[in-house]
Amino acid sequence: QSVLTQSPSASGTPGQRVTISCSGSSTNIGSNTVNWYQHLPGMAPKVLIHSNNQRPSGVPDRFSGSKSGTSASLAISGLQSEDEADYICAAWDAGRNTYVFGTGTKVTVL
Amino acid sequence: QVQLVESGGGVVQSGTSLRLSCAASGFSFTTYGMHWVRQIPGEGLEWLAVISYDGRNQHYADKVKGRFTISRDNSKNTVFLQMNSLNPEDTAVYYCAKEIYRGIAGSVYYYYGMDVWGQGTTVTVSS
Repeated sequence: QSVLTQSPSASGTPGQRVTISCSGSSTNIGSNTVNWYQHLPGMAPKVLIHSNNQRPSGVPDRFSGSKSGTSASLAISGLQSEDEADYICAAWDAGRNTYVFGTGTKVTVL
Repeated sequence: QVQLVESGGGVVQSGTSLRLSCAASGFSFTTYGMHWVRQIPGEGLEWLAVISYDGRNQHYADKVKGRFTISRDNSKNTVFLQMNSLNPEDTAVYYCAKEIYRGIAGSVYYYYGMDVWGQGTTVTVSS
């Protein structure tokens, strides 16, 4: 059972902005940094955002992350067809001493 | 470039054991913690375990605590996952992944999550 809650799906047309939310608690998002992963079927997950809002080299600046309190968000601006994937938030949970993943949001480009 | 290559997966009978390996290259392995994560078919990502850069600190998901053991050999740039008493619910793709930030000798062990992932190795447990 995932500790971090995400909406199951989100969609948009090419060029639109899509925002994905991730809700946690004081022991995970509230006290630790949030990472976001993109996961395509049959592929290894790829980090899009780490440490709340840091974009690794090679990740387009269309992807941005933010955190407030016990929630975090991933925004995809200028949506492209190749952005169709599952997006998963994650954070260390100091209360459980475990790393916790979100339930995942499937993004569809209409 | 940073690379992680898992091996050791396969088809096994329920109740048996399996040891997964993850060979790392392209970064200073001895200064980074390492994680194991799995994806059960049709489900999301499930974190399993983490080990500190020096091997002295480990944490496990409740579901696998007592059955799985994470270890590392820094002389061989390899991290392992020993899995015992396997059951069909352990059928999954298993990934190893590298911690985002390097550990600092002499300080408290902190974990921030993973950045680089391997391609995964498939474990199938038949009943």
